[in-house]
Amino acid sequence: EDQVTQSPEALRLQEGESSSLNCSYTVSGLRGLFWYRQDPGKGPEFLFTLYSAGEEKEKERLKATLTKKESFLHITAPKPEDSATYLCAVNAGNMLTFGGGTRLMVKP
Amino acid sequence: GAGVSQSPSNKVTEKGKDVELRCDPISGHTALYWYRQRLGQGLEFLIYFQGNSAPDKSGLPSDRFSAERTGESVSTLTIQRTQQEDSAVYLCASSSRSGGGDTQYFGPGTRLTVL
Repeated sequence: EDQVTQSPEALRLQEGESSSLNCSYTVSGLRGLFWYRQDPGKGPEFLFTLYSAGEEKEKERLKATLTKKESFLHITAPKPEDSATYLCAVNAGNMLTFGGGTRLMVKP
Repeated sequence: GAGVSQSPSNKVTEKGKDVELRCDPISGHTALYWYRQRLGQGLEFLIYFQGNSAPDKSGLPSDRFSAERTGESVSTLTIQRTQQEDSAVYLCASSSRSGGGDTQYFGPGTRLTVL
């Protein structure tokens, strides 16, 4: 059974304080690892897809990396507008299996 | 272009009533998915449609839940005899190809409250 575990559950940062979010996964036949951002009352917004170990992708202050067992979402010099819940998901078939998310709060 | 749209955005119903939720996928997307997000929990897969193939219903929690899709267009999720535990946000997503590694784009969701 596919499993995705995200840590920490919640993270409070000061503006400019860089950090990383972790996503550990167990899946047979990974066909993609996905990161989404979800703001309160809205649907998940796509950020990145990673397909193979060693792959990295960047977008503004965010950088996602992938190994055979986990993925990291690195946030460099975050701003208050980066506050959201970040979701990790894996695809090994017809659907995505999601982790519980990391709720990020960035204080000015 | 337009993203995934869902209606209604909010639905309040009484226990025992039936509800219908609607999803309009991104134009040209052949795959469509329904997920459920209970308060404080992760997203749970419900059902997957791909073109004219038989849907993957493996995530439906009970026979009170059903969904239809006509071709590659609109989908409706129906919950019969609603229960309080059905209260959740129901999210629809679409992708341009079959499940695989293709990116799923989500709609804003329908918040269902069962009194």
